[in-house]
Amino acid sequence: QQQVKQSPQSLIVQKGGISIINCAYENTAFDYFPWYQQFPGKGPALLIAIRPDVSEKKEGRFTISFNKSAKQFSLHIMDSQPGDSATYFCAASNAQGAQKLVFGQGTRLTINP
Amino acid sequence: NAGVMQNPRHLVRRRGQEARLRCSPMKGHSHVYWYRQLPEEGLKFMVYLQKENIIDESGMPKERFSAEFPKEGPSILRIQQVVRGDSAAYFCASSTRDTYEQYFGPGTRLTVT
Repeated sequence: QQQVKQSPQSLIVQKGGISIINCAYENTAFDYFPWYQQFPGKGPALLIAIRPDVSEKKEGRFTISFNKSAKQFSLHIMDSQPGDSATYFCAASNAQGAQKLVFGQGTRLTINP
Repeated sequence: NAGVMQNPRHLVRRRGQEARLRCSPMKGHSHVYWYRQLPEEGLKFMVYLQKENIIDESGMPKERFSAEFPKEGPSILRIQQVVRGDSAAYFCASSTRDTYEQYFGPGTRLTVT
């Protein structure tokens, strides 16, 4: 019930294309869903996050879509650039608990020039 | 603009030795979280601390691992009698009391030989 399942494991997109990464969760008590970007040898960097009271959040080229009934959320990267090549992690937490983040397994994104 | 600081960045220990990992949270942050990342895997929660209190240690192995966040100074993750399976990247994150966002440090990469 604490799992967050992320897909795909790896993704290759052409420059200028749209990258889409999906996550699904089971625990309905989760109420905060962030996405992190991690470059090799670095720590995860908070990219964008959403609460379940909205279905979509957009920041620049990054958009989170959230489907509460399906218990799914996704990250869309518009106009993908080679600099976006990194590993992306979705996560979830429950503010009523200790706010610990439960992470997906990660998606290695490669943007081909 | 001091973010979350971790040291050392790389640590090599022989089997049976002790490893001490340090984390200084962002200025104004009173909550500290430790996560472990095995190669090619996602991050796994270990422990959540506030000053002088362990709030949630449900992700900590029962033996050899301990954590503290004293009133003064950094948070410490201590691994006694390290084994090869402890080799991983250990990340610290911090947050304020009133927000969900967790900001990660650059990590400590522990190698046990």
